[in-house]
Amino acid sequence: NAGVTQTPKFRVLKTGQSMTLLCAQDMNHEYMYWYRQDPGMGLRLIHYSVGEGTTAKGEVPDGYNVSRLKKQNFLLGLESAAPSQTSVYFCASRPTGESDEQFFGPGTRLTVL
Amino acid sequence: LAKTTQPISMDSYEGQEVNITCSHNNIATNDYITWYQQFPSQGPRFIIQGYKTKVTNEVASLFIPADRKSSTLSLPRVSLSDTAVYYCLVGDYGNNRLAFGKGNQVVVIP
Repeated sequence: NAGVTQTPKFRVLKTGQSMTLLCAQDMNHEYMYWYRQDPGMGLRLIHYSVGEGTTAKGEVPDGYNVSRLKKQNFLLGLESAAPSQTSVYFCASRPTGESDEQFFGPGTRLTVL
Repeated sequence: LAKTTQPISMDSYEGQEVNITCSHNNIATNDYITWYQQFPSQGPRFIIQGYKTKVTNEVASLFIPADRKSSTLSLPRVSLSDTAVYYCLVGDYGNNRLAFGKGNQVVVIP
């Protein structure tokens, strides 16, 4: 069981470039989340999904798009990267049921120059 | 979303019990209280969740008073490896919009 994996681990972009971050989970979880974490801050929710084919906005969705075409994958896209999007991005998943235990990936460190 | 307030940081000596507090004055009836731990360069890890009174698992205890406006995470006999940021979250797990806040940096000193 690999749990939650994220690709890539590190990336440097120039302003205006686009990229897609991939999150994959092998636990058959319904819910998946994308967060960003800036230095000295907690995590802020960007987008989330409650099942295959569904997505919803979180606290800071502007500048990002997501897709959940397969249950095990949740993609985060930056169409035109900006320096303000320099951050560490975490993906998480959780099963349905009476618990908020989210399982997090190792993170992707993104720098936008 | 229910807002939480935690101390920014605290130190503790190795081997001591550490109690980490969290205030959540506007907690709603359906809200649960969840704690996560985060080490540097890693994603957060779930510690414990509770609704009222006391919950205990193999790593921590969670104490919630009757009014539920605060909670205390208790870590017994901490070691250096317990140095981490601890987040208190309050919300209804059905709404998928829990807020992490800035957390409490706990440093365990030898």
